[in-house]
Amino acid sequence: DQQVKQNSPSLSVQEGRISILNCDYTNSMFDYFLWYKKYPAEGPTFLISISSIKDKNEDGRFTVFLNKSAKHLSLHIVPSQPGDSAVYFCAASGTGTASKLTFGTGTRLQVTL
Amino acid sequence: GAVVSQHPSWVICKSGTSVKIECRSLDFQATTMFWYRQFPKQSLMLMATSNEGSKATYEQGVEKDKFLINHASLTLSTLTVTSAHPEDSSFYICSGMQGSKDEQYFGPGTRLTVT
Repeated sequence: DQQVKQNSPSLSVQEGRISILNCDYTNSMFDYFLWYKKYPAEGPTFLISISSIKDKNEDGRFTVFLNKSAKHLSLHIVPSQPGDSAVYFCAASGTGTASKLTFGTGTRLQVTL
Repeated sequence: GAVVSQHPSWVICKSGTSVKIECRSLDFQATTMFWYRQFPKQSLMLMATSNEGSKATYEQGVEKDKFLINHASLTLSTLTVTSAHPEDSSFYICSGMQGSKDEQYFGPGTRLTVT
């Protein structure tokens, strides 16, 4: 039972444009959400997080939006850069912290020139 | 930023043997460490959570006698895959967490191939 889903396995975006990566979850007990970026043969790198008490969190080019009623979150990257090309995982926790994470299956983002 | 290393990065072992993977937090004290497994094109699946000096807590479906976890210090956790089988071949990733802070710092992963 996949509690965190990323339905788009891949996404291609032109450099300078906005990248929007989506994530849906089914467990209403999740209260903390994170996005990670992963390069091949490397571990995930933390990007940005959001608590369920918020609906938006912004950090530089990265913004995460949370829609609790729809159990949906999205990561916006503006402007997209070639170095953003990687696999992006969303993750969720029901502990209010980054412990006991449930990961999605990932979306491979390719930013083209 | 916080750095976590894993050793080895890649290991091949024969079926029936055991292999140990080390996870070290290099510049912070990881009071909690996590072990994940990732199969190709799948998500990271949490295997177990370990707190320094305590027994690990295993997720449902993970055999604690097969995947031995030791978290003997605040900077080192080890995962030993005992009596490895080809189906244990996977990418194993550890992460460390300092206190109850809202970040896990991941290691680069270890690719295990059991022949």
